[in-house]
Amino acid sequence: QTVVTQEPSFSVSPGGTVTLTCGLSSGSVSTSYYPSWYQQTPGQAPRTLIYYTNTRSSGVPDRFSGSILGNKAALTITGAQADDEADYYCVLYMGSGPWVFGGGTKLTVL
Amino acid sequence: QVQLVESGGGVVQPGRSLRLSCAASGFTFSDYAMHWVRQAPGKGLEWVAVISNDGSNKYYADSVKGRFTISRDNSKNTLYLQMNSLRAEDTAVYYCATLIRDWGQGTLVTVSS
Repeated sequence: QTVVTQEPSFSVSPGGTVTLTCGLSSGSVSTSYYPSWYQQTPGQAPRTLIYYTNTRSSGVPDRFSGSILGNKAALTITGAQADDEADYYCVLYMGSGPWVFGGGTKLTVL
Repeated sequence: QVQLVESGGGVVQPGRSLRLSCAASGFTFSDYAMHWVRQAPGKGLEWVAVISNDGSNKYYADSVKGRFTISRDNSKNTLYLQMNSLRAEDTAVYYCATLIRDWGQGTLVTVSS
């Protein structure tokens, strides 16, 4: 069973830049996995940030960007703000139908 | 504006069934594949199932395969999740989503005796 890996936690200073990653327990992430990224704050539904590697969802500021870095998908937040403090999840398409979420990264802005 | 509104959650005994609905509005429902995603209390997101835009293709997570059925009625702009043989570990908030855009607010399913 392939596991999607994310950093459990990360911290960034206000105004700073942070890159969160999304990998596989076995193998490399490519655009063929259609990596997508979601932000969730406590008590709220997830919000789509980036889909299919690097397309920003409607209304998402360009401070958020997606890419492939090495063998992982990446979400980069530039100019971090206090309200970026949240849980961030990636999801990968495994081919032949199923999708798998990563365990999420808790981002602290301090 | 775009809305996805889930309903049908509640408390159910182990082994029983429940059907969730997701009413969509504000976009062309029949253009999008639709997903169910769940989140157990205090845990991360878990993908559950997907159905293609025309309903012809359906895929499930191993944890629900054979027990859950996803379906849709494009004439009613509604997505469904029939959940049978429910277990305590199915307790979660269930979200419908396009995954590339919109998410509903979720409906809580609690499986308990």
